Amino acid sequence: QTVVTQEPSFSVSPGGTVTLTCGLSSGSVSTSYYPSWYQQTPGQAPRTLIYSTNTRSSGVPDRFSGSILGNKAALTITGAQADDESDYYCVLYMGSGDVVFGGGTKLTVL
Amino acid sequence: EVQLVESGGGLVQPGGSLRVSCAASGFTLSTSEMNWVRQAPGKGLEWVSYISRSGSHIYYADSVKGRFTISRDNAKNSLYLQMNSLRAEDTAVYYCARAGAEYYFDCWGQGTLVTVSS
Repeated sequence: QTVVTQEPSFSVSPGGTVTLTCGLSSGSVSTSYYPSWYQQTPGQAPRTLIYSTNTRSSGVPDRFSGSILGNKAALTITGAQADDESDYYCVLYMGSGDVVFGGGTKLTVL
Repeated sequence: EVQLVESGGGLVQPGGSLRVSCAASGFTLSTSEMNWVRQAPGKGLEWVSYISRSGSHIYYADSVKGRFTISRDNAKNSLYLQMNSLRAEDTAVYYCARAGAEYYFDCWGQGTLVTVSS
């Protein structure tokens, strides 16, 4: 069973830059996994941020960017704002219709 | 405006059945692949099931295989999830999510809560 790994928590100062990562329990993440990223605040539905590694979804500010860093997918938030405090989830496509969510990263802005 | 609205959640006893629905508006459902994703209280997101545009290709997470059935009625612009043999661990908010062209979820409903408890 493939496990998608994310940092359980992270903190960033207002105005700062943070990079969240998304890895595999075995192997490396590449663009072939079509990594995507989602933001979720408590009680709300997820919001799509990034898809296909580095394409921003409609309306997402360019403070959010996606990439492959080493053997992981990465979400970088530049100039963090208070309302960026959320849970962030990555998703990897495993083939044959199978997608797997990471466990999520709780981002604190303080 | 593209919108997905789930309904049909509620309280059901272990071993029981429930069907949740997702009404699509602002786009033609028949042109989109669709998914169900769930989130247990205080936990992360979990993909549950996928259905292709015509319904000819269907996939399930191992955790629900054999118990849940995804279906769609394109004429009614609606997606469904029939859940049988429900367990306490199926308690979650169930979201329908439209699939984007590159294996991601590009639009989400607000979710419907399913509680399995005696």
